[in-house]
Amino acid sequence: NAGVTQTPKFQVLKTGQSMTLQCAQDMNHEYMSWYRQDPGMGLRLIHYSVGAGITDQGEVPNGYNVSRSTTEDFPLRLLSAAPSQTSVYFCASSSDRGLGTGELFFGEGSRLTVL
Amino acid sequence: AQTVTQSQPEMSVQEAETVTLSCTYDTSENNYYLFWYKQPPSRQMILVIRQEAYKQQNATENRFSVNFQKAAKSFSLKISDSQLGDTAMYFCAFVRAMEYGNKLVFGAGTILRVKS
Repeated sequence: NAGVTQTPKFQVLKTGQSMTLQCAQDMNHEYMSWYRQDPGMGLRLIHYSVGAGITDQGEVPNGYNVSRSTTEDFPLRLLSAAPSQTSVYFCASSSDRGLGTGELFFGEGSRLTVL
Repeated sequence: AQTVTQSQPEMSVQEAETVTLSCTYDTSENNYYLFWYKQPPSRQMILVIRQEAYKQQNATENRFSVNFQKAAKSFSLKISDSQLGDTAMYFCAFVRAMEYGNKLVFGAGTILRVKS
C-alpha cells in the first residue's frame, strides 16, 4: 500500500519559473491538503480539498494553485516561483474531512529551493 | 485568533528518563480534537497521540501520554522511558473548522534529542 506519494522529492527552480508538485493517494480519501514547513513556523496550510471539484484556500495560498479532478490526485502548482517559496512541502490526506476521527496521512515531503 | 504555542524550541533527555513537552492553544470552539505528531530526521510525519476535547480522560498510547487541561487550554505530551528512536521534532496541533472541511493548526515544534 503506497499511501501518499509526492513527486519530486527535491527540486531547484529559478525565480519566475513554474512547476507542479504531484500528490497521489491510493486510500480513496476524500480530504487532501498541501502544507508548507518552514523553520520556526511549523506547518501552514496552503490549500485543501474535500473531494473532486471542491478546493479551498488555507492560510498561505498566494502564489499557489490547485485543482482536484480525481479523488486520487491533488497537484500543487507554483505559478511564478519566488525565493519566499523555498520550503518543504507536504501533501496529506484523510478519510475524514472533519479530521477528528481519522488521522492525517502525510507524504514524505518535497524540498523546493528557489534561487 | 486560533493558534498553537509550543514554548520549548529544543529539549534533551537521557535515555530511559521521562520528558514532558508543553503545548498551549487558543480556540473559541467547545468540541475539538488535539494531536501530537512526530517528525524524525526522515521527515515523515507520524501521528503519536490524539485527544478529543469532550473526553476528560487523558489519552495514552504505550509510552506516550498527554495531560489535557481544557480550561487552561493546555495539552502537554509525556514520553516515558525515552528511547533513542524518540529523537525527532514534535508538533502539537488542533483541528480548526474551515468552510468546506477542517484543517490542522500546528505549533512551531519542539526538537527533542534523546541522549545515550
